[in-house]
Amino acid sequence: DVKVTQSSRYLVKRTGEKVFLECVQDMDHENMFWYRQDPGLGLRLIYFSYDVKMKEKGDIPEGYSVSREKKERFSLILESASTNQTSMYLCASSSLYTEAFFGQGTRLTVV
Amino acid sequence: GQQLNQSPQSMFIQEGEDVSMNCTSSSIFNTWLWYKQDPGEGPVLLIALYKAGELTSNGRLTAQFGITRKDSFLNISASIPSDVGIYFCAGRLSGTYKYIFGTGTRLKVLA
Repeated sequence: DVKVTQSSRYLVKRTGEKVFLECVQDMDHENMFWYRQDPGLGLRLIYFSYDVKMKEKGDIPEGYSVSREKKERFSLILESASTNQTSMYLCASSSLYTEAFFGQGTRLTVV
Repeated sequence: GQQLNQSPQSMFIQEGEDVSMNCTSSSIFNTWLWYKQDPGEGPVLLIALYKAGELTSNGRLTAQFGITRKDSFLNISASIPSDVGIYFCAGRLSGTYKYIFGTGTRLKVLA
C-alpha cells in the first residue's frame, strides 16, 4: 500500500514563528504536493515538486516556501506564521501521470 | 485557482438509497479521480479513471469517465451510515502533473 505520512496531526504555533511541516512517501513517487483545505474553499494547491530540488508555485504560494532535498520527503515552511494560515494542510504524492495519494493531514492553529 | 464544478454540494439521504454526484468542467481531462474524506482525515482514493467512457466499480461505488472528457460521475448504491463524509472529484489536464479538485459533496445518511 502507498503510504504518505505527515509528521504531525495537530500543531499549535505562535504568530511569527517559523513552522516546518514534513511529509514522507514510500512509493518512490516523482511528484509531491502541498494543499491547504479551508471550509467553503476546497483544496488549494500551495506548491508542488516534480523532482528532487524542483518546485513550482501553486495557486496560493504567498507566505510559504518548500524544500525537496530527497525524493521521498517534501517540506512545507511557513516563514513567519500568521493567524490566516490556520488551516488543514494536506500532502500528496503521485507518479508522473497516475493517481495521487494523500497523507492524514496536519491541522495547524496559529495563535 | 481553477476548480471543478461539483454537484450537489450536500445531500441527505435515507439508508439504503442510491446516491449520484457529478463533476463538470469546461476543460478536457486525461484522468479523473474520486476521493472520500472523513472529518479530520486526509482524502482517501476511491476510484481512478483514465479513459473516456471508462466505467469502474469499487464495491458499491461506480464511477464513469464522461465521453466528452469534461465530466465524471460517481454513484453509490444502497448507502449505509459509514458512507457519510465529503466526496471530492479531481481531474488532471493533459500535459500537466497537477490535479484540479472539485468543491466537494457532503453526504449525510439518515439511518
